[in-house]
Amino acid sequence: AQKITQTQPGMFVQEKEAVTLDCTYDTSDPSYGLFWYKQPSSGEMIFLIYQGSYDQQNATEGRYSLNFQKARKSANLVISASQLGDSAMYFCAMSVNNNDMRFGAGTRLTVKP
Amino acid sequence: DTGVSQNPRHKITKRGQNVTFRCDPISEHNRLYWYRQTLGQGPEFLTYFQNEAQLEKSRLLSDRFSAERPKGSFSTLEIQRTEQGDSAMYLCASSLAWFGQVGDGYTFGSGTRLTVV
Repeated sequence: AQKITQTQPGMFVQEKEAVTLDCTYDTSDPSYGLFWYKQPSSGEMIFLIYQGSYDQQNATEGRYSLNFQKARKSANLVISASQLGDSAMYFCAMSVNNNDMRFGAGTRLTVKP
Repeated sequence: DTGVSQNPRHKITKRGQNVTFRCDPISEHNRLYWYRQTLGQGPEFLTYFQNEAQLEKSRLLSDRFSAERPKGSFSTLEIQRTEQGDSAMYLCASSLAWFGQVGDGYTFGSGTRLTVV
């Protein structure tokens, strides 16, 4: 069975600082993809970044980077230079063997001015 | 293409009534997913289609729930004999069957918020 765990219900960060949101996963399948989504208070799910299990390098997308540690089964999201607009719920998700995506419980990030 | 469209945006219904939601995916996407999200929780997988075939259903999907994608385009999710516990945001997403391109992922609609009173 696949499982995604986000242990931080809430996180605070000062504007312009970097923040790391934790995500661990569990699967016995060697082929999987890891995703991070942002959900602002408006409710839409915004795709941020993707990491494939066979990718050799950590994924980066602008201010977002994914710290992929395969042996530890972790896929932490790093947001650099936080902005007030980054305040939102952040969800880690996994798709195993190209099947449907399963989500963690989420982390609420608050950026303080 | 304007993305994934869901209708209605909001639905209030009395307990025991049937409701139907519609999702129009991105036209070139062959996969369509339904999720349910309650306040403060992550989306819970309900079911997904590849073209018109329903490939997987969650155990969460009781026999009161049924989903269809008759021509491999839009999809409907019906809930019969609604209960107060069905109150949630119902999210639809679409994707291509194969990931691999940078930036690929699921594209979500804005959701249908169901309130059962």
